[in-house]
Parts: sequence; C-alpha cells; structure tokens
Amino acid sequence: GDSVTQMEGPVTLSEEAFLTINCTYTATGYPSLFWYVQYPGEGLQLLLKATKADDKGSNKGFEATYRKETTSFHLEKGSVQVSDSAVYFCALNRGSNYQLIWGAGTKLIIKP
Amino acid sequence: DAGVIQSPRHEVTEMGQEVTLRCKPISGHNSLFWYRQTMMRGLELLIYFNNNVPIDDSGMPEDRFSAKMPNASFSTLKIQPSEPRDSAVYFCASSLDPREIEYFGPGTRLTVT
Repeated sequence: GDSVTQMEGPVTLSEEAFLTINCTYTATGYPSLFWYVQYPGEGLQLLLKATKADDKGSNKGFEATYRKETTSFHLEKGSVQVSDSAVYFCALNRGSNYQLIWGAGTKLIIKP
Repeated sequence: DAGVIQSPRHEVTEMGQEVTLRCKPISGHNSLFWYRQTMMRGLELLIYFNNNVPIDDSGMPEDRFSAKMPNASFSTLKIQPSEPRDSAVYFCASSLDPREIEYFGPGTRLTVT
C-alpha cells in the first residue's frame, strides 16, 4: 500500500542553519505531495505542495521538489528561525479521492 | 474568516461519560474531516463528510463513536461511553477540494481518566 516515511526527530538546529527534512514515499501512479506544519498547540496548516514530477513547492522560505526518480519530497530552508520550531508532516494523495497518507511527523527545534 | 473553529479546546472526563466535540467549518467549504492524533498511531482519519453527507466512516474505531453534520456550518463527534484509550487530540478540518486540506482546526485535547 501507499506509505510516507519521514526522518525521525527531533531535529535540533541553531538559528540561521540550513534545514533538510527527508521524506520518501511509496505510491502507485502520480500522487500529489504535501508538507504540513503544526505549531505548538495548533492545528496543521498546509505549508506547500507539488502535484507532478519536478514541481517545486515553496512558501515562507521553505521549498520541496517532487523527485519521482527517487520518490522523494525533501523539505529545505536556507536559514531557519526560532519561529520555525514546529512539527512537520509529509503527506501524499493519489489524487483520486480524499485520503491523505501521512508521515509520522518530524519535530524541529531551533535554538537561538 | 476565523478559520475552522473547534470546541472545547480541552476536555477532561471520567471513563463511561459521554463526550461531544464540536466543529464549525470555514464558510463555503463542502468537505469536512474529523481526525484523531496520538503519539502511537499518528494522524488517523475518522470520518469524511461531503455536502453534509457522511461519505466514509470506516475510520471510526467502534460503535461508541458517532458523528453528525446537521448543516453546512456545524458538525459533532460524540463518544459514548468514553474510555481511557480514547484520550487523544481530535482535529476537525474543512476544505473546498477534498483532495487538499489547507487548514485544520486547533483541536480538542481529550483526556479520559
């Protein structure tokens, strides 16, 4: 079945460091891929998405490129801030229905 | 828009009691989802409504759980009787396109003792 695998957290970085959170997926066909962010005490928010191979999603300085050859959708940011501390979820949707397949989430901690 | 609104934000109850969680979706969104989040199982879809009609309730754990959507602006998730293993954060989410959820509500943290 379809699945999403994320790197385990927590990931701890200093402010202004470069961030990569790995996400790989298993799915038939051409799924849409998403990154969600959950700030402490809040619900999830869609951060960015990509719907086809080689698409790059971007938002708030975060980027992720849909790599079909490596079945990956790694999240990157060039310079993280303390306010980026949150849990990040990778997810996929095969596009035919409402079912989102979720990764386990990666907690990111940014130290000043 | 105020986003997806959930109430209460926190609920502590004793085993065997009835619990009702409430959700007001974003106006104009015709898809509504209830999710449960736990450390052990992560995010689980409990039920999906489209145009107020339950489309998929296969994620509802057992008959103790029920959900309703009497109109486009209100949904409830009820647990009766509640058990300690129901302790979790319950999220409501709504969307225009059911394949893409933009916002979840802030969640209800349920603790059953």
